Amino acid sequence: GENVEQHPSTLSVQEGDSAVIKCTYSDSASNYFPWYKQELGKRPQLIIDIRSNVGEKKDQRIAVTLNKTAKHFSLHITETQPEDSAVYFCAASMGEKLTFGTGTRLTIIP
Amino acid sequence: DGGITQSPKYLFRKEGQNVTLSCEQNLNHDAMYWYRQDPGQGLRLIYYSQIVNDFQKGDIAEGYSVSREKKESFPLTVTSAQKNPTAFYLCASSPRLSHNEQFFGPGTRLTVL
Repeated sequence: GENVEQHPSTLSVQEGDSAVIKCTYSDSASNYFPWYKQELGKRPQLIIDIRSNVGEKKDQRIAVTLNKTAKHFSLHITETQPEDSAVYFCAASMGEKLTFGTGTRLTIIP
Repeated sequence: DGGITQSPKYLFRKEGQNVTLSCEQNLNHDAMYWYRQDPGQGLRLIYYSQIVNDFQKGDIAEGYSVSREKKESFPLTVTSAQKNPTAFYLCASSPRLSHNEQFFGPGTRLTVL
């Protein structure tokens, strides 16, 4: 089955700096790669996703890049703000079933 | 945050007792999922269902059971066979023919004493 590895497990950045979270996947058939944000005590929510026919996607301060050859994808957050503090999960899927990474706890330092 | 609900928010049970967690959605989604969340381990899939009266085991199904008698409902039973049931349980749903975005419920925190 699919295996998704996510790094780093914790990340602290100064407010205003950029943050990058990286994931690798094992199954080359995976074609959908979402990122979820989970604030403390709340449910995970989709923040951005990318499909295998696209190399990069942006939505305001967040962007995701996908390298199918290397089987890795990354989340980039620019101009970080205190409200970006949360746990971020990457995932990979080739159908209805998602396989999640283990999460990255991002802390924005004021 | 409407659309998919879980109850109760907190649940306490004695060791050896079965317990059922509720998950309801009014999004008209065909697919529903149960995940377990433990610190440092992300979200692990317990069971999922793509249609009424059909469900499949996920990665950690041992000690759990589910039913899908109605499209809107996907209850999870944590049985006494589950070795370490204390965890945060998340239910999710997605449209069958979508590009797989899943919508999560608020979760149930189960503590077995």
